[in-house]
Amino acid sequence: DTAVSQTPKYLVTQMGNDKSIKCEQNLGHDTMYWYKQDSKKFLKIMFSYNNKELIINETVPNRFSPKSPDKAHLNLHINSLELGDSAVYFCASSPGLVDTQYFGPGTRLTVL
Amino acid sequence: AQSVAQPEDQVNVAEGNPLTVKCTYSVSGNPYLFWYVQYPNRGLQFLLKYITGDNLVKGSYGFEAEFNKSQTSFHLKKPSALVSDSALYFCAVRDNYQLIWGAGTKLIIKP
Repeated sequence: DTAVSQTPKYLVTQMGNDKSIKCEQNLGHDTMYWYKQDSKKFLKIMFSYNNKELIINETVPNRFSPKSPDKAHLNLHINSLELGDSAVYFCASSPGLVDTQYFGPGTRLTVL
Repeated sequence: AQSVAQPEDQVNVAEGNPLTVKCTYSVSGNPYLFWYVQYPNRGLQFLLKYITGDNLVKGSYGFEAEFNKSQTSFHLKKPSALVSDSALYFCAVRDNYQLIWGAGTKLIIKP
């Protein structure tokens, strides 16, 4: 039983393309997050949703747009991909705001 | 602003020896502190957290952490290291509605 799942696991694409990453959690949690982990393994929060409402929107290029169709899903759409977008993107969820977070397996995005 | 520091990029320990991974924090108010572990090519996994109560917190896989308010530290410890403990360890502190993450410490356990 996968708690937090992400698709795809790997994503290789050309500069300028638009791509989406999907995240689903079956834990019944109210809060979901997107993180970016760079090549040095540094973790940066990008977005946080609580009950489908945007709570955190860090300084992220507006090419990145999250969408939460319901509490169990938080998708990430990226327009006009750039080389610097190459990273591992993690989805996470928690029961409430700043409770213990449960992470998905990550999506490794490579922009060529 | 809240912050957390992991002063060591890498810690090397022989199997069977005790291990310590260091974390210091700076917060206003009472700290909520977390430790997570990341195995290669995997997502982060929760190990333990301190919110209030006993200064010694026990977590998963035999790990524990000691909260020290006077030294503003929350070091992760294990009495006897296993090779399978080799991974990347992150300390984090609560800041309003998000966690502030340390840069991570790579733990290498040698047989």
